[in-house]
Amino acid sequence: DTEVTQTPKHLVMGMTNKKSLKCEQHMGHRAMYWYKQKAKKPPELMFVYSYEKLSINESVPSRFSPECPNSSLLNLHLHALQPEDSALYLCASSQGPPGPYEQYFGPGTRLTVT
Amino acid sequence: DAKTTQPTSMDCAEGRAANLPCNHSTISGNEYVYWYRQIHSQGPQYIIHGLKNNETNEMASLIITEDRKSSTLILPHATLRDTAVYYCIVKKNYGGSQGNLIFGKGTKLSVKP
Repeated sequence: DTEVTQTPKHLVMGMTNKKSLKCEQHMGHRAMYWYKQKAKKPPELMFVYSYEKLSINESVPSRFSPECPNSSLLNLHLHALQPEDSALYLCASSQGPPGPYEQYFGPGTRLTVT
Repeated sequence: DAKTTQPTSMDCAEGRAANLPCNHSTISGNEYVYWYRQIHSQGPQYIIHGLKNNETNEMASLIITEDRKSSTLILPHATLRDTAVYYCIVKKNYGGSQGNLIFGKGTKLSVKP
C-alpha cells in the first residue's frame, strides 16, 4: 500500500471557523509533511514531522497548527484563516527524515476561505 | 533563488519519447537531481533521482551530463496520461532543511494524440 489519504477532499470555511485537515498513511513512514499550493504555483513546504516530532516549520503563521498524534496520522488545525489562505493543502510522507527518501503525496484538500 | 531552470512548456506526440531538459549549473558535489510530476488536480508523484550516473526505472530514464550541470528526463513512449507538470529539483540527501523538496515552476508537458 503506497497510498497517502487526505480528508476532506474539499473544505469551505469562514474566517471565524475552526476546522482540521487529516492525513493518514500506513506505509510505516516516519516522516510526514504539509505543503501549500496556490493556484498555478508549485507546492511550498509548511511543516515537517520526523519521528512524530515537529522538525521544520517554514515560518508558517500560527493560524495553522500541525499535530502528529501517531506515526500514521498528521493533522492540520485551522483557525481564523484569511481568504488568501485558500489553496490546495498537500500531505506527504517518506520512509525517513528529509533526505534520500522519495516522498509520497496525497491528493490534497482544496480549501476555500470565505 | 531557484537552483534549476526548466522550459515553461513542451509538447510531445503520443507514442514518441518526451525529453525534458533541466539546467542546474550551480549544483554542488553532494546534491542529487530529483524529478517529480504533478498531474492536474493530483498530488506530486516521484519519478526518479540520480547523483551522477544515468538512472532508469519503470517510469523514466535520467541522463545527467558529465559535468552535472544539466540533465534530461526521458519518458520513452509518452501517453496522454503523461500530461503533467514536471519538476526538476536539486537537493542534498541528508536531513534538515537542505534535504527538503523545494519545487520550482516546472515544465508543463502536453502529450498530444
